[in-house]
Amino acid sequence: DVKVTQSSRYLVKRTGEKVFLECVQDMDHENMFWYRQDPGLGLRLIYFSYDVKMKEKGDIPEGYSVSREKKERFSLILESASTNQTSMYLCASSTGTGYGYTFGSGTRLTVV
Amino acid sequence: DQQVKQNSPSLSVQEGRISILNCDYTNSMFDYFLWYKKYPAEGPTFLISISSIKDKNEDGRFTVFLNKSAKHLSLHIVPSQPGDSAVYFCAGQGGSEKLVFGKGTKLTVNP
Repeated sequence: DVKVTQSSRYLVKRTGEKVFLECVQDMDHENMFWYRQDPGLGLRLIYFSYDVKMKEKGDIPEGYSVSREKKERFSLILESASTNQTSMYLCASSTGTGYGYTFGSGTRLTVV
Repeated sequence: DQQVKQNSPSLSVQEGRISILNCDYTNSMFDYFLWYKKYPAEGPTFLISISSIKDKNEDGRFTVFLNKSAKHLSLHIVPSQPGDSAVYFCAGQGGSEKLVFGKGTKLTVNP
């Protein structure tokens, strides 16, 4: 089974902190994605990557950056956390069009 | 611009009956449509997909119907079970491989 592992299930951070969310997949997928899920807003794409060291902005990239130094790992960085970044963050990987994504279990981030 | 719309935030059905979840889209370039199921505090899990060249795909209790002329798809669950209670997301996928999700419909199946 494809596994996408997110390093933390729950995180509490203070406003202004730099936050790292880590995601690792074990199926050699080229494509990796970061979404956030908020009530009434569904799943919104933050950033995605088609290959190592490649990244593209999604629909809501402001306040975030990403890093993909190795194929299996895709990190989401909140440069200076703010309360409006309190959310469920979901990482996913895929092997191509029509195959859908495999999601991790999510990280519930609370910024206080 | 919301490319994928799920206009019903919630749906409640009785166990054993049919659940019908609806989805509309505006992007004619989608090649695939997918349905995901999500329980609280878990990541979404893939349920079923359909290619844009087909009008029906079936997998056990789950059937997805696609009406391209109306830009509408629906997920039918027959018979519904209490364990089906979850949030269901519809998504479209085009050549860029990005999935564009709707806002979700919360299904409650009552025993």
